[in-house]
Order: sequence, then C-alpha cells, then structure tokens
Amino acid sequence: KNQVEQSPQSLIILEGKNCTLQCNYTVSPFSNLRWYKQDTGRGPVSLTIMTFSENTKSNGRYTATLDADTKQSSLHITASQLSDSASYICVVRGRNTDKLIFGTGTRLQVFP
Amino acid sequence: EAQVTQNPRYLITVTGKKLTVTCSQNMNHEYMSWYRQDPGLGLRQIYYSMNVEVTDKGDVPEGYKVSRKEKRNFPLILESPSPNQTSLYFCASSDGGSGNTIYFGEGSWLTVV
Repeated sequence: KNQVEQSPQSLIILEGKNCTLQCNYTVSPFSNLRWYKQDTGRGPVSLTIMTFSENTKSNGRYTATLDADTKQSSLHITASQLSDSASYICVVRGRNTDKLIFGTGTRLQVFP
Repeated sequence: EAQVTQNPRYLITVTGKKLTVTCSQNMNHEYMSWYRQDPGLGLRQIYYSMNVEVTDKGDVPEGYKVSRKEKRNFPLILESPSPNQTSLYFCASSDGGSGNTIYFGEGSWLTVV
C-alpha cells in the first residue's frame, strides 16, 4: 500500500535554532516528492518539488533532501523564525498517476 | 495574482440540507481537485477533474458530487450532508504536468449538525 509517514508528529524549538523533519514513503514507482507549509486554518503552500534524480533543493531557509534508494526525504529549516510555526506536509506522487499521497504532517512550533 | 478562491470559508448547516462549495481559479489550469482534511489524517482526495466535462472519483467520493462546466470553476456539491462530512475542505488546481506546482485555496470549514 502506498504510504507517506512523517516524523516527528510535533516539534517545539526556540527561535534561531535549526530543525529537521523526516518523511518516509513506500510509493513506487516514484515520480516526485513535495514539501508544503500549512499555516493554521490556511491552505498548504508549496515549498519544494523534487524528482527522483534530485538529491537536494533549497528555498530560502528551507532545504529538502531526497534519497530515492531508501525512500526518505528530510526538510531542514535553518535559523528558525516565529513565522515558521506551521504544519509541514510531505506529499509523494507516483509515476503514471495523477494521485498524490499526503503525509499527516509535522506540527512545528517556534517559541521566542 | 494566482489564486484559488473558495466560498464559503465557514459554514454551519443541518443534516440533509443541500449545499454547494464553490471553487474558482484564475490561472487557466486544466487540473482541479477537492480534498478534505481531518485531524490525524493526511489530505484525502474527494474528486478531481482533468479538464472541462472530465471528472473522476478520488479516494473518498461518497456523499459528494462535482461538476466542471467551465475551466475556471469546480464546485463541490453535498446533496444530503451528514455529520461525518464535517471537515475542512480544500480546492486545488494545477496545469496538469506531474511536476507542476499545485495551488490550494484557503479552505472551507464545514460543520454539519
């Protein structure tokens, strides 16, 4: 069964610190993996999209990595800010399909 | 500005009273879809549409209908809402390529009592 699992479920860090969120997936064959940021009560907003041939992709203070062999991805947030408080959702798309498999997200809280 | 607009944003309704959640996008996207988001679960696809007059079921279509008469609009219809359809609903659109960004609306909070 195609699945996307994220860890941790929730995370609390202090402003200015770095953190890393994990995503493991079983979707095969694989087309691409996306990370979305979802503020409370708002729609998800795309951070990165990576295909199987890409190992890393950055968007400002957000850096996503992908290991297609082990089916793992991580999202690293550098020098966290209060505005980073949100849920981060990992989404995987299989090849030859329009369907996306969503993880349940990691809820990040950044405190001053 | 690229936008996916949903209405209403918040709605409380009673069991059995038909309702429609509208969705409109201004990016001329071919692909549109509806998702619901419930606590502890990832977004689940309800219906999707590849183009005008082309719609298909997602993972949780029971109790929902959609139509795609125009490219920009993709309304979600609940013919006879039930309490288990209380959820946060998102409309999304993209131009169809597998690697293209998907844009989500701001969400519609629906409560069925």
